[in-house]
Amino acid sequence: EAQVTQNPRYLITVTGKKLTVTCSQNMNHEYMSWYRQDPGLGLRQIYYSMNVEVTDKGDVPEGYKVSRKEKRNFPLILESPSPNQTSLYFCASSPGDSPTGELFFGEGSRLTVL
Amino acid sequence: DQQVKQNSPSLSVQEGRISILNCDYTNSMFDYFLWYKKYPAEGPTFLISISSIKDKNEDGRFTVFLNKSAKHLSLHIVPSQPGDSAVYFCAARTTSGTYKYIFGTGTRLKVLA
Repeated sequence: EAQVTQNPRYLITVTGKKLTVTCSQNMNHEYMSWYRQDPGLGLRQIYYSMNVEVTDKGDVPEGYKVSRKEKRNFPLILESPSPNQTSLYFCASSPGDSPTGELFFGEGSRLTVL
Repeated sequence: DQQVKQNSPSLSVQEGRISILNCDYTNSMFDYFLWYKKYPAEGPTFLISISSIKDKNEDGRFTVFLNKSAKHLSLHIVPSQPGDSAVYFCAARTTSGTYKYIFGTGTRLKVLA
């Protein structure tokens, strides 16, 4: 089944404790990206990657890191989480030549930073 | 500076009637406009998109209209069904050589039986 898989789905952590949210897609998509969803703010892009070893900042990259060493994986790293990073996170992927521009989303990871 | 705006946070419609969701944008450097539907505890699901060179795209009960002069797009759902109750996001993809997606803040649609 074609899908984007995120882990963990739920996580409660404390300020300053490094964490990684993994994202993997099995559709051989070139493009991958991360979003956060906050009440009243919609979905905001954190980072995106056009292909392996090519990443770029979205609209809200502060406090996050990413890497794209393999085509299928695009982990989101919070080196020193803070409470303002409490949010619902989504990973998404897309083929580079999509005829519709469609993004395929994972099911989300709810992160709480205490 | 929010480049994609959904000014109606919520909308209620009777089952069987038309639902019209609206979205405005402020940047002309978009090549695709998309609509996503989101249920609680799930990821957004793609509904329909439209290329910036077109003014209408239809898929079953869903039609998207693009008015480039007004920088406005709308999603029509006809007929509306209770299962359509969800949050709808419009989004736009930039054409600057890299794909940045900018989303609106969402409209919560409630279809009343």
